[in-house]
Amino acid sequence: DAKTTQPPSMDCAEGRAANLPCNHSTISGNEYVYWYRQIHSQGPQYIIHGLKNNETNEMASLIITEDRKSSTLILPHATLRDTAVYYCIVRVLNTGGFKTIFGAGTRLFVKA
Amino acid sequence: KAGVTQTPRYLIKTRGQQVTLSCSPISGHRSVSWYQQTPGQGLQFLFEYFSETQRNKGNFPGRFSGRQFSNSRSEMNVSTLELGDSALYLCASSLGGARDTGELFFGEGSRLTVL
Repeated sequence: DAKTTQPPSMDCAEGRAANLPCNHSTISGNEYVYWYRQIHSQGPQYIIHGLKNNETNEMASLIITEDRKSSTLILPHATLRDTAVYYCIVRVLNTGGFKTIFGAGTRLFVKA
Repeated sequence: KAGVTQTPRYLIKTRGQQVTLSCSPISGHRSVSWYQQTPGQGLQFLFEYFSETQRNKGNFPGRFSGRQFSNSRSEMNVSTLELGDSALYLCASSLGGARDTGELFFGEGSRLTVL
């Protein structure tokens, strides 16, 4: 599975959009991009995933560049409860099992 | 529906002992994966099970083992505990098979302290 690179930390003002970048320059054609977040002392929570098209759900939007070498997770209106560590991972989706390789993630601080 | 359940939530062991952790996946999920989380190494993949078979394994010594039962419940075992095994052990489940979207549902974890 491809490796990802994320900034170690970011700040965001409450109510503003939080844009979290992820670099996955070695991604393969059949690897999906997944985003999870982990609030202190809890298990990670799935946010969104995509292959090559932009995706949106009730939590966030995922923008994947045309060459698929990077992506951005957008939290449109960040709240204090969005303060967490955000992980970007890439993995193959197949029936043969998987290894999920987490990087260090980005610690997002949402400030009032 | 009930989420992923891990037991015990907290436990303390001493060096040299062994420990067994349990994970009950979401009903209908057939894939279970395990992770170790420490401040120094972050989240690291241990292994993944599907239909009672280990399909993938991370880079951990043989002291770390696991199994999955026919009802998809899974256990992991760590033998001859070392101080460095102190960590939060997380379990995640997913549908598995052809319907799997890759979305992992994590439990709250079992926090192991080795003294």
